[in-house]
Amino acid sequence: DTGVSQNPRHKITKRGQNVTFRCDPISEHNRLYWYRQTLGQGPEFLTYFQNEAQLEKSRLLSDRFSAERPKGSFSTLEIQRTEQGDSAMYLCASSLGSANTGELFFGEGSRLTVL
Amino acid sequence: QQQVKQSPQSLIVQKGGISIINCAYENTAFDYFPWYQQFPGKGPALLIAIRPDVSEKKEGRFTISFNKSAKQFSLHIMDSQPGDSATYFCAAAENNDMRFGAGTRLTVKP
Repeated sequence: DTGVSQNPRHKITKRGQNVTFRCDPISEHNRLYWYRQTLGQGPEFLTYFQNEAQLEKSRLLSDRFSAERPKGSFSTLEIQRTEQGDSAMYLCASSLGSANTGELFFGEGSRLTVL
Repeated sequence: QQQVKQSPQSLIVQKGGISIINCAYENTAFDYFPWYQQFPGKGPALLIAIRPDVSEKKEGRFTISFNKSAKQFSLHIMDSQPGDSATYFCAAAENNDMRFGAGTRLTVKP
């Protein structure tokens, strides 16, 4: 499978716990994006990387959210001290060029439920 | 953050009919306007896209109409099929900043 892979697909956690999601992009893609999608809404941009550099992180929802892409390949999104409002689908996408030059390839998402 | 407004929220059409979804944007710096299709349990997938230097783009049964002066664009699905039933998102991008509309849930009845 050469598409974008996300793990885990589903995560149920208790309020206050930390969670981490992993994204493996298409191998030759140098750009990687994280989005959040809540029920009935479109994807909401969180952050993006070009290779290992995080070039936009001002839209991370709070300082409880952080993302890394240590070697310019896979990426992780961590949410600390989860809250019920964090329940959503977290989508990862990758692209070869910038978002306005071509297709973003999305993974199937990681669904978070915070009890 | 929502700079792209999409309507309607939901749409029901008969098989063979035309589905029309509309979007409006605010930021004139956007220079790429894609439509994404999402099936339940899947991530969005690119359907068709347009740049503001053209007014229309057609790919098979799918057409984007673009009105730069009005800052509006629309997706037309001709001869709609039950397999087209999905959620459709318009989007607008400037560099690596892509903003999505809230989505339209399309149901095509056989």
